[in-house]
Amino acid sequence: DAKTTQPPSMDCAEGRAANLPCNHSTISGNEYVYWYRQIHSQGPQYIIHGLKNNETNEMASLIITEDRKSSTLILPHATLRDTAVYYCIVRVATNAGKSTFGDGTTLTVKP
Amino acid sequence: DGGITQSPKYLFRKEGQNVTLSCEQNLNHDAMYWYRQDPGQGLRLIYYSQIVNDFQKGDIAEGYSVSREKKESFPLTVTSAQKNPTAFYLCASSMPLTGQNEKLFFGSGTQLSVL
Repeated sequence: DAKTTQPPSMDCAEGRAANLPCNHSTISGNEYVYWYRQIHSQGPQYIIHGLKNNETNEMASLIITEDRKSSTLILPHATLRDTAVYYCIVRVATNAGKSTFGDGTTLTVKP
Repeated sequence: DGGITQSPKYLFRKEGQNVTLSCEQNLNHDAMYWYRQDPGQGLRLIYYSQIVNDFQKGDIAEGYSVSREKKESFPLTVTSAQKNPTAFYLCASSMPLTGQNEKLFFGSGTQLSVL
């Protein structure tokens, strides 16, 4: 699976959009980008995934660059409950258990 | 509600003692996993099972053992051979489907500490 690089921490004001970047310059053509988040002392929660098109669901939007070497997770109106560690994972569609959860980005939403 | 239940939430281990962490799922998922998480770090795969009565070692299996006698259950035993067991342990499950995107569903974790 491709390696990902994320900033260790970010801050965001409550009500503003949170944009979390992820670099995955060695991504292969059949690898997807997945995002999970982990609120303190809980298990990670799936957010969204994509291959090459931008994706949106009730939780977030995922923007993948045309060359697929980087992506951005967007939380459109961040709330205090969005404070968590966000993991960007790149892997093939199957073998979910082989997902590599690195150190992620700690997002702190401030009032 | 469907989900994954881990118990206990907190567990203490004495020197030389084996302890078992419970993981039960009612999602009818075939695959189950155990991860270890140390403070401020990501997750590391301990063991995984893709079908009943079969399991494979992950990246850090030494000092741990598992069983998969039932589809719903995947208990993890932390043996006395694991010299640094203090960590947050997470159980997860997924439903592998050919050609489909496979998502992981996690339990709420067990914090294991050494007395």
